[in-house]
Amino acid sequence: QKEVEQNSGPLSVPEGAIASLNCTYSDRVSQSFFWYRQYSGKSPELIMSIYSNGDKEDGRFTAQLNKASQYVSLLIRDSQPSDSATYLCAVNPGNQFYFGTGTSLTVIP
Amino acid sequence: GAVVSQHPSWVICKSGTSVKIECRSLDFQATTMFWYRQFPKQSLMLMATSNEGSKATYEQGVEKDKFLINHASLTLSTLTVTSAHPEDSSFYICSAKGSLAGAPGYFGPGTRLTVL
Repeated sequence: QKEVEQNSGPLSVPEGAIASLNCTYSDRVSQSFFWYRQYSGKSPELIMSIYSNGDKEDGRFTAQLNKASQYVSLLIRDSQPSDSATYLCAVNPGNQFYFGTGTSLTVIP
Repeated sequence: GAVVSQHPSWVICKSGTSVKIECRSLDFQATTMFWYRQFPKQSLMLMATSNEGSKATYEQGVEKDKFLINHASLTLSTLTVTSAHPEDSSFYICSAKGSLAGAPGYFGPGTRLTVL
């Protein structure tokens, strides 16, 4: 079983809609969770960190964490074409990071 | 925010030569650095993890004699691809993590290696 699982997509949403990206993880020890965005041909960039159950909002982004269900999600409100990228979920048990394979998001103008 | 640099951003070399890639954390001390390789349209693949002052831990299937990693200081790690071959052509990305528990990893911009 993979440590971190994401729906690879592709996920397409119209401009202005809410994009919902989901991630499940297997290691119950994990306490730190991250979302990265990777544009084609570029390296990943950190967009959200979340450590506690519940929601964390940062601008148009909201991360949601449910440790009991081993589930973390990312909502992007008012999606823009510039949000088109691959989104990587990562969990951090100890000093290692486990990444999902990423969800490809396309925002259609 | 935390900034990680990589140098060079791209390199073209002949088969059989060695290439060194530098990864620097510019505004924080990176106790742990990670090296990844990514082929086009594929996922990140962790190659090795290095802690400052210690030998790197390589992932299964990664040749430690071919991919030499040195993490000599809290701000610098290097990856040397020895005797590079065309199949080593890839996008190499480093990530640096500070000492605080739960700190995220920050990625460098990557180095695109092409071996002719």
